[in-house]
Amino acid sequence: QSVLTQPPSVSAAPGQRVTISCSGSNSNIASNHVSWYQLVPGTAPKLLIYDNNKRPSDIPDRFSGSKSDTSATLGITGLQTGDEADYYCETWDDSLRAAVFGGGTKLTVL
Amino acid sequence: QVQLQESGPGLVKPSETLSLTCTVSGASVSTIGYYWSWIRQPPGKGLEWIGYMYSSGSSDYNPSLRGRVVISLDKSKNQFSLKLGSVTAADTAVYYCARVTWPTKKFDFWGQGTLVTASP
Repeated sequence: QSVLTQPPSVSAAPGQRVTISCSGSNSNIASNHVSWYQLVPGTAPKLLIYDNNKRPSDIPDRFSGSKSDTSATLGITGLQTGDEADYYCETWDDSLRAAVFGGGTKLTVL
Repeated sequence: QVQLQESGPGLVKPSETLSLTCTVSGASVSTIGYYWSWIRQPPGKGLEWIGYMYSSGSSDYNPSLRGRVVISLDKSKNQFSLKLGSVTAADTAVYYCARVTWPTKKFDFWGQGTLVTASP
């Protein structure tokens, strides 16, 4: 059971937009910045979003992040088949004194 | 470009100690402002933060693993290591090393991961 709650899976057609939610609590998301990561089997995980809504320079603006109170959201527009991956949210939990991850969301591009 | 590469045995016997090393290139483990971390992913499950160490020697570990885990830096080799004692089958996972940039605490560069199986 993960501290942060994500939907197990989402799907959409190529070119469409999808959002992935991440729900937490006052001790984690509400108090700290959220990051998002993309995991593709056999490759190094990639940082997509940090500080809730900032993108590293190599991440296209099709990827966006937002945060409100105890929840965060990752948005992906113009879906491509190459976006099929597992996506994880992450933040620090002040009560646990630990970095915590969501359970992960598998994105399928139909 | 910063690159990290995990190495170590892929098989560990229950009750023994898991030992992994992460070799860093394109960055120095001595540089101020970075923490060096380990994360794992059991088969079919999500990511779990194990802990991290700063160049000054300070460290922090996941409370669920505290007491069994030690992360250390080898500045001369630009590496950092993980030791997890008294392993059980529940410690079977893909283990990733990563750099954490402070103060944003973002895991900005990761290794590809290495599978470690705890089995007789």
